[in-house]
Amino acid sequence: KAGVTQTPRYLIKTRGQQVTLSCSPISGHRSVSWYQQTPGQGLQFLFEYFSETQRNKGNFPGRFSGRQFSNSRSEMNVSTLELGDSALYLCASSLEPDSGNTIYFGEGSWLTVV
Amino acid sequence: AQSVTQLDSHVSVSEGTPVLLRCNYSSSYSPSLFWYVQHPNKGLQLLLKYLSGSTLVKGINGFEAEFKKSETSFHLTKPSAHMSDAAEYFCVVSEDNQGGKLIFGQGTELSVKP
Repeated sequence: KAGVTQTPRYLIKTRGQQVTLSCSPISGHRSVSWYQQTPGQGLQFLFEYFSETQRNKGNFPGRFSGRQFSNSRSEMNVSTLELGDSALYLCASSLEPDSGNTIYFGEGSWLTVV
Repeated sequence: AQSVTQLDSHVSVSEGTPVLLRCNYSSSYSPSLFWYVQHPNKGLQLLLKYLSGSTLVKGINGFEAEFKKSETSFHLTKPSAHMSDAAEYFCVVSEDNQGGKLIFGQGTELSVKP
């Protein structure tokens, strides 16, 4: 069974541009969440989706957005990129948004903003 | 609001000696607690989780953790370190009904000397 798949794995963008990252959850998983990992701030929760609805949102500006499709695949978008958005973006999936369900992480998308 | 404090940013042990990674949490409700491991340039892998019940939790690769409510601690231990254990370890908390919203500690980097 394939794990959580994230694309692209690496990308470089220029300040002011926008970026879209994609995540395919494990087959059968309907809950998808996103995290940002930086050396300074560590791992921070961005948002969570279940059944195409945003269920939870972290403390990030409105430039960060996401969505989930009917097949549970998810995308996140960052508009008007800033240097500080350079980070590893991790997607995670679970069967449902219940604390008892194991959450599986992908290997992440490395974003560099120059 | 819940939070997690990992008491050591870096721990160094010799191969074959015990490992202790310390974690304290703060939570208003009944927390679910996890330990994840991250090897370089890899995603996060779940080592073990505490949801309820037995306070001593066994995980993969010989790791275990004990939930101590009175001390609000969830320390990770392993009797004998292996070179392959060298990685970053994250203590994580999730509250009831918060599903995929995980709160991460800052991480402890474990080094294993031959």
